[in-house]
Amino acid sequence: QQQVKQSPQSLIVQKGGISIINCAYENTAFDYFPWYQQFPGKGPALLIAIRPDVSEKKEGRFTISFNKSAKQFSLHIMDSQPGDSATYFCAARGDRGSTLGRLYFGRGTQLTVWP
Amino acid sequence: DGGITQSPKYLFRKEGQNVTLSCEQNLNHDAMYWYRQDPGQGLRLIYYSQIVNDFQKGDIAEGYSVSREKKESFPLTVTSAQKNPTAFYLCASQKGGGNTEAFFGQGTRLTVV
Repeated sequence: QQQVKQSPQSLIVQKGGISIINCAYENTAFDYFPWYQQFPGKGPALLIAIRPDVSEKKEGRFTISFNKSAKQFSLHIMDSQPGDSATYFCAARGDRGSTLGRLYFGRGTQLTVWP
Repeated sequence: DGGITQSPKYLFRKEGQNVTLSCEQNLNHDAMYWYRQDPGQGLRLIYYSQIVNDFQKGDIAEGYSVSREKKESFPLTVTSAQKNPTAFYLCASQKGGGNTEAFFGQGTRLTVV
């Protein structure tokens, strides 16, 4: 069973536009929600992360919006650039002392930004 | 430089052979993970270890084995029992605590020929 559901599977955005990727989860024990960025042939790298005690976190052009009651969170990329073209993964983690201490990943979104 | 190193980058295996993928980290991280990545499937957890000499099965452990004899090393063996081993394999490590960042290696692409 997929613990974290991610959509869309692929996304094409024009340069300068806003890219939005959505994720949803069911387990209320999750308390850490990172986003990873992966370029072809490379390992994923942490982009930005949020805890459920805040509703939004912004780092440069990247913003996470978090809706605890709906159990949803999303990544917004403002002023999207061709260099943002990559695969993005959302993830969730719970208490490290439990089986939830591992990361549960969404299936990924392949973002293409056209110049 | 501190980091997590996977080797080799590319690996070819004949059917029926076991192969071992290396993962080494010098970040002094407690936890280490192995993921398998297939197109459209995201990252699926094979095995993980939160402490030396202990490891747990992930979601797709069948046909794989691991060991954690040293804190810095977490090798993955793909056995002949794994029916579809061609994939991109990623190793990750994490310092500890609930919300610390997981660092990934650059991956090993395994192809069965």
